[in-house]
Amino acid sequence: DSGVTQTPKHLITATGQRVTLRCSPRSGDLSVYWYQQSLDQGLQFLIHYYNGEERAKGNILERFSAQQFPDLHSELNLSSLELGDSALYFCASSAVAGGTDTQYFGPGTRLTVL
Amino acid sequence: AQSVTQLDSQVPVFEEAPVELRCNYSSSVSVYLFWYVQYPNQGLQLLLKYLSGSTLVESINGFEAEFNKSQTSFHLRKPSVHISDTAEYFCAVRWGNTPLVFGKGTRLSVIA
Repeated sequence: DSGVTQTPKHLITATGQRVTLRCSPRSGDLSVYWYQQSLDQGLQFLIHYYNGEERAKGNILERFSAQQFPDLHSELNLSSLELGDSALYFCASSAVAGGTDTQYFGPGTRLTVL
Repeated sequence: AQSVTQLDSQVPVFEEAPVELRCNYSSSVSVYLFWYVQYPNQGLQLLLKYLSGSTLVESINGFEAEFNKSQTSFHLRKPSVHISDTAEYFCAVRWGNTPLVFGKGTRLSVIA
């Protein structure tokens, strides 16, 4: 158990809908990262928050947004969902934001868009 | 753009045989190197990492990897695999403070 929690574990929804994925980092960690894992693209970095502020953006679509709250949990919002958004979404946390920090991954949320 | 290449998508190996999972990356400047393992229906777990110092790093379950700066490689090895090592293995690299870049993964299947 990494100490990172994600809810829900599974999510099934229809095209055009909006969903929210939630992540609670390990106790004391200030950084939260979001990744998307799909069969064709592999593991792709989406976005990084550190202590409530956005630090880096990767291959995140404009239909997707995220935020980190004062209690350090984070939410990833996916809107106008398309079939191609079906994937595993992981969050990871680390103590700070340096290159040497180890990222600890949650169990993931499996999103299925029908 | 920085990239990470795992040349083998699948590696079948017999139990108690040695294995090497290959990882190459685009540049050795300011690199931090990681191997993660993903068991079925689970998240990624850190296996081992190279940050600085000795180029050979080891995990608690018998895996090791060697940072080769000139070859821009960080191959993962184990002298004798067990059935329980069956999983997907991901090589990941950071260049300075850049986000982690992952390889496509190598599925290791250990055959009894």
